[in-house]
Amino acid sequence: DAGITQSPRHKVTETGTPVTLRCHQTENHRYMYWYRQDPGHGLRLIHYSYGVKDTDKGEVSDGYSVSRSKTEDFLLTLESATSSQTSVYFCAISGGVVSTRNTGELFFGEGSRLTVL
Amino acid sequence: GENVEQHPSTLSVQEGDSAVIKCTYSDSASNYFPWYKQELGKRPQLIIDIRSNVGEKKDQRIAVTLNKTAKHFSLHITETQPEDSAVYFCAASMGSSASKIIFGSGTRLSIRP
Repeated sequence: DAGITQSPRHKVTETGTPVTLRCHQTENHRYMYWYRQDPGHGLRLIHYSYGVKDTDKGEVSDGYSVSRSKTEDFLLTLESATSSQTSVYFCAISGGVVSTRNTGELFFGEGSRLTVL
Repeated sequence: GENVEQHPSTLSVQEGDSAVIKCTYSDSASNYFPWYKQELGKRPQLIIDIRSNVGEKKDQRIAVTLNKTAKHFSLHITETQPEDSAVYFCAASMGSSASKIIFGSGTRLSIRP
């Protein structure tokens, strides 16, 4: 398995509280992603990063912010959690699609289950 | 907008038969199309991918076909086995750097013994 870990793996919080999920990699991959997975919606991209301090929005970015201050860490923050943000969050890493040295494959973390009451 | 549509959402086939899952994408500039398999309680894992410069790719019982003109690609699984039961996701690369990977909504494949 690629060296990617997510923390926390499980969290229960209350509406209105801030929450930060952490994704840590040891592969030195350039690209990092945050997806949420909900029944019937598959994997929806929240934000992704293409380098340190370089991030872009995905399909469902409202209510979420991200930061990447170093290659190995990508943080996802819910400033004020809502019940609609109850989900399983997956981090993924990739060497990139365009690079001839990489396959483009996404390697996923084990997921973080967040429940907002 | 940037989206990938996947059909069907559920699929049940007899063991030994073939299964086909279809996807369409919106961005004509997309050039990378991976397929992921997710078993219950596990993380998604890549099973096969195809780039826009080829029309078909095979890996044992799995094949993917791509029609760039129609913006359509499909996953074919032949001689299905019980271990093929899982959720399958198609995806497409989007954005100027092709680094934005957008997924379809998934297909739950069940293999009947």
